[in-house]
Amino acid sequence: DGGITQSPKYLFRKEGQNVTLSCEQNLNHDAMYWYRQDPGQGLRLIYYSQIVNDFQKGDIAEGYSVSREKKESFPLTVTSAQKNPTAFYLCASSIAGPGANVLTFGAGSRLTVL
Amino acid sequence: GQQVMQIPQYQHVQEGEDFTTYCNSSTTLSNIQWYKQRPGGHPVFLIQLVKSGEVKKQKRLTFQFGEAKKNSSLHITATQTTDVGTYFCAGNSGNTPLVFGKGTRLSVIA
Repeated sequence: DGGITQSPKYLFRKEGQNVTLSCEQNLNHDAMYWYRQDPGQGLRLIYYSQIVNDFQKGDIAEGYSVSREKKESFPLTVTSAQKNPTAFYLCASSIAGPGANVLTFGAGSRLTVL
Repeated sequence: GQQVMQIPQYQHVQEGEDFTTYCNSSTTLSNIQWYKQRPGGHPVFLIQLVKSGEVKKQKRLTFQFGEAKKNSSLHITATQTTDVGTYFCAGNSGNTPLVFGKGTRLSVIA
């Protein structure tokens, strides 16, 4: 089955530690995205990538970093500079993008910083 | 920047009652999409609207796109417990990323 795999599903880290969330897709989609979801806040865009080795900042990129070395993979690092990292992180992809393309989401990674 | 507002934030209905959520954009949209997120799940695409005044139906769900392409609505007729979840609208202009509303959380009381 084609889809998006995010790992880990749950992650606990101490304050001040960097954390990397994995996102892999086998849909052959060109574009990939990272969203952050907080209760009552909807989905806010962190970073997106339309092609390998290229990515753009979203609305809340501060304290995060990404890479796109392969078409299938778009890992997100939550750095110690992110002031409120506890959240639900969603990775998504689209055939091309962003434009009018439909998003397919992974199951998400829930990060809790203690 | 572009903003998408969605109301209400919460809606509690008795099973069998109708439900409507509204979405308004600060700018004219190229397209609007609707997603549903079940409790504990991830957003799943429902539908996309691109034409001014467009109306689309999916069984008990009716989606509308305003004439000015700045607002949209989702109406569910005779809600069922399977309709429980958060409904998000998301829109964009041109080749910009989708901007999501904050969602409407629907609870259905059996």
